[in-house]
Amino acid sequence: EADIYQTPRYLVIGTGKKITLECSQTMGHDKMYWYQQDPGMELHLIHYSYGVNSTEKGDLSSESTVSRIRTEHFPLTLESARPSHTSQYLCASSETQGLFTSFFGQGTRLTVV
Amino acid sequence: AQSVSQHNHHVILSEAASLELGCNYSYGGTVNLFWYVQYPGQHLQLLLKYFSGDPLVKGIKGFEAEFIKSKFSFNLRKPSVQWSDTAEYFCAVNEGNTPLVFGKGTRLSVIA
Repeated sequence: EADIYQTPRYLVIGTGKKITLECSQTMGHDKMYWYQQDPGMELHLIHYSYGVNSTEKGDLSSESTVSRIRTEHFPLTLESARPSHTSQYLCASSETQGLFTSFFGQGTRLTVV
Repeated sequence: AQSVSQHNHHVILSEAASLELGCNYSYGGTVNLFWYVQYPGQHLQLLLKYFSGDPLVKGIKGFEAEFIKSKFSFNLRKPSVQWSDTAEYFCAVNEGNTPLVFGKGTRLSVIA
């Protein structure tokens, strides 16, 4: 069983609010990722990190930002939420040796009203 | 850029029927291939993966997949589905240790 946790599971918030989606893993993985998933669509990579103080933007342009101050923690922040940010956000981490399997959290379903 | 195609958006099967879900990827180099499953209300879980060696890979819960390099395919199969296999199935690929690229997913509904 993977040990990667996302909070909150569900969030409904008003337009213009600042939000932070939390993601933590206890597996000691250096690599962590944020994906955005809309219903019936593929997962799109929005941010990734290969270690502390390392962050990169993914394939899908996103107004969100991330930080990686500790290995186990990879929060995602939206400074000013908009209805277009309504989506499911999935956090993942992967092994850095061996078979590089990715493990996923349960996701945060964000609704901006 | 790498892309993944899953041809079936929604598959409906009766229990005990055989399953095959298609997956094709775009890159012709050395790739790693994965199938993930997402049961209702749960997180994505790894079903099986291929890195090298035997192109027929066996995973959990009786699933298997076959890597056919000449067809850029990695189709998922199960001889006899159960109601509990109802879920969303995602094919994914990466090169080396790059981030995974996912297909759009196939929703499987198994009816009694």
